[in-house]
Amino acid sequence: DVQLVESGGGLVQPGGSLRLCCIGSGFTFSDYYMDWVRQAPGKGLEWVGRIRKKINSFTTEYAAYVKGRFTISRDDSKNSLFLQMNSLNTEDTAVYFCARVASMGGGYFDNWGQGTLVTVSS
Amino acid sequence: DIQMTQSPSSLSASVGDRVTISCRASQGISNSLAWFQQKPGKGPKSLIYTASSLQRGVPSRFSGSGSGTEFTLTISSLQPEDFATYYCQQYNSYPLTFGGGTKVEIK
Repeated sequence: DVQLVESGGGLVQPGGSLRLCCIGSGFTFSDYYMDWVRQAPGKGLEWVGRIRKKINSFTTEYAAYVKGRFTISRDDSKNSLFLQMNSLNTEDTAVYFCARVASMGGGYFDNWGQGTLVTVSS
Repeated sequence: DIQMTQSPSSLSASVGDRVTISCRASQGISNSLAWFQQKPGKGPKSLIYTASSLQRGVPSRFSGSGSGTEFTLTISSLQPEDFATYYCQQYNSYPLTFGGGTKVEIK
């Protein structure tokens, strides 16, 4: 079975940094694009960004509100996806989910993790 | 950015009811539309892609339709496990965007 498990969330002060990790299992991690999506408390889903696979040069896409502050990377040897978050503010408080992009093309998600909570507060 | 508007934002229904949720895109997205189900404290579950294709393992009481700017998710006979929040999402262009969600509650 496909599993995605996020970790690394916690409490951080405004202006601080945090690095999230998502480990995939049950599939060939390197074959898939991977995304991050977040959800503020009591709110809807909001896309954060995407990283493509090696054959696509690991290129990335980001939502405008995180460009320059967040960086998505991956280590296929460890089946791991990362989200480096810098210059955090209170509006970044959310549960962060990783999601696998279906390999059949089109760019839709077919599997999600359970999420990790990031709280930005002084 | 493409805006996704869902309606209603919430609804009350009984087990066995037919439920329809609408999603409108601010510009044409062909059939690049997905639907997700989310229960409290859980990650979303993928239900439908390309507007009408069922993800593997999703019960056939779920169906999707539409193209262009107007889309619909239908649950033909609501089951107890279907009470949740449903989101649509377009993946036609970046940034990927989601509808605001529809909470399906027990009447």
